[in-house]
Amino acid sequence: DAKTTQPTSMDCAEGRAANLPCNHSTISGNEYVYWYRQIHSQGPQYIIHGLKNNETNEMASLIITEDRKSSTLILPHATLRDTAVYYCIGHSGGSNYKLTFGKGTLLTVNP
Amino acid sequence: DVKVTQSSRYLVKRTGEKVFLECVQDMDHENMFWYRQDPGLGLRLIYFSYDVKMKEKGDIPEGYSVSREKKERFSLILESASTNQTSMYLCASSRWAPTPQKGDTFGSGTRLTVV
Repeated sequence: DAKTTQPTSMDCAEGRAANLPCNHSTISGNEYVYWYRQIHSQGPQYIIHGLKNNETNEMASLIITEDRKSSTLILPHATLRDTAVYYCIGHSGGSNYKLTFGKGTLLTVNP
Repeated sequence: DVKVTQSSRYLVKRTGEKVFLECVQDMDHENMFWYRQDPGLGLRLIYFSYDVKMKEKGDIPEGYSVSREKKERFSLILESASTNQTSMYLCASSRWAPTPQKGDTFGSGTRLTVV
């Protein structure tokens, strides 16, 4: 799996968009970019994933650069409940069963 | 949504005890996983299973074993608990791989303290 680099922490005002960056310069052509988050005292929760195109679902949007070396997770209207550690992961899926989580970004949404 | 249930939320055990952590999923997933999570280290894979009675070592299998007698249940066993196994243990399940399933595929975790 690709090594990913994320900022250790970020702050965001409630109601504003939260933009979480991730660098994955060594990602290979068949590796997807996945985002999970972990709210305190809970297990990780899947958010979104993508390969080349930008993706959007009811939770977030994922913007992947054309060279695929970085991506940004966007929470369009952050709420206090979005305070969590956000993990960016490069993973090829298929028969590769391992999913390696790094240290993630602690997003704190402030009132 | 997939439900992954871990039997205990908090557990305190003594050094040298044999410890069983149980995990049950209700979505007929083939793949199940055990991770441990420690501050500053992220999640690390201990063992995974891709079928009943099948298991594979993850990144840090030393001091652990697993059992998968039924598809829905995946047990993590600490043969002789040690203080360095104090950690948060997370179980996960997936139909194909531990990825892109909408909804939660991780349990809420078991915080194990070995004294």
